[in-house]
Order: sequence, then structure tokens, then C-alpha cells
Amino acid sequence: KAGVTQTPRYLIKTRGQQVTLSCSPISGHRSVSWYQQTPGQGLQFLFEYFSETQRNKGNFPGRFSGRQFSNSRSEMNVSTLELGDSALYLCASSLAGRPNTGELFFGEGSRLTVL
Amino acid sequence: QQQVKQSPQSLIVQKGGISIINCAYENTAFDYFPWYQQFPGKGPALLIAIRPDVSEKKEGRFTISFNKSAKQFSLHIMDSQPGDSATYFCAAWDFGNEKLTFGTGTRLTIIP
Repeated sequence: KAGVTQTPRYLIKTRGQQVTLSCSPISGHRSVSWYQQTPGQGLQFLFEYFSETQRNKGNFPGRFSGRQFSNSRSEMNVSTLELGDSALYLCASSLAGRPNTGELFFGEGSRLTVL
Repeated sequence: QQQVKQSPQSLIVQKGGISIINCAYENTAFDYFPWYQQFPGKGPALLIAIRPDVSEKKEGRFTISFNKSAKQFSLHIMDSQPGDSATYFCAAWDFGNEKLTFGTGTRLTIIP
């Protein structure tokens, strides 16, 4: 069974640009969550999608957005990039999106560097 | 605001020793407490989890101890091995807001 696939794995952007990251969940999983991981802040929740609907979002500015397609694949977009957006962006998929009822499976992440 | 406080930030333990990582929380809406293990270049993976109606859960060399009244929980790794060297994150699930909050992580190094 294939795991969670995130693309691209590494990318470098400059301030002011925008970026789109992609996540393909495990087959059959309908929930996709996104997290930002930085050395100082750990893992911070960005948002969660279930059946193409955003069910929850974290405390990030509106520059961070996402969507989910009918095949459960998800994308997140960051516009007007800032230096502080440099981080590892992790996607996690699960059957229902609630870790107390089903395990979250993480991808290996997309490492974004903003220059 | 860090809702789950994790310590220590880094930990060095000799092979065969016991590794202990502690977490504390304030939010009484947390009702599920997983621990994740992350190796370099990989995403976090679920290691073990506990619900607040249980004071201890053991899976192999890994044990979670949970103190509901003190709002604290800890991970114990018995007979620590070099292969356990990784970053460990505690987390807590808020059933009201449906959010998973992570601690800041502990980098564990097991030396021979």
C-alpha cells in the first residue's frame, strides 16, 4: 500500500513569489491535514480537508490556502512568500481526520526555502 | 501560545538506559495523547497513544505514563537502542476544536 506522497520534496523561492505544494493521500483516505514544521515552533496545524471541504484551520494568515479534489488529493498554496515561511510542510492523511479514531499517516514533507 | 509543553529539548542517553520525555498541558478538552517519532528526512510516525481514562500504556519497550490530575504525560523508552535516536513529539487532540496540538519536540540521541 503506497504511503502519502508529497511533491515537490525541495524547492527554493524568493520573497513575494507564490508556491503550490501537492499531497496524494493513502488510497481510501478522505482526510488530508497540513502542518508547518520549523525548528523553533515544532509542528503547527494549517488546515484539514475532508471530502473536498475545509473542516478546520489553524492560526495562519490568509496567504496560506488549500483545497482538496474529488480524488482526495490536496494542494496548499502560499502567496506573497516571506522569509519566515521557510519550513518543512507536512501532509497527513487519515480515514476520518480525527486521530482519536484513526491514525494520521504523514508524508515526508516539502522543504521550502524562501530567499 | 504553546498549549503542550515538552521537555527536554534534547536528550542523550547511553545504550541500554531509560529515556524519559515529559509533556504538560492545560486544556481540559484534550482527550487523546499520541506520541510521534520522526527520523531525519522522514515525516512523523505514530509510536504509541493513550486516552486519559488510562494511567499507563505499554507497547514493547515504549511506555506512556499519564497523570490526569497533574495534566502531565511522559514517554519512557526502556533499554534504549541507537536505532531509537530520533526526534519525538508529544501531541494532544482537542475534541472540541478538532485540532491536534504538538509539543516542540525532543531530539533523542542514544550513544553506544
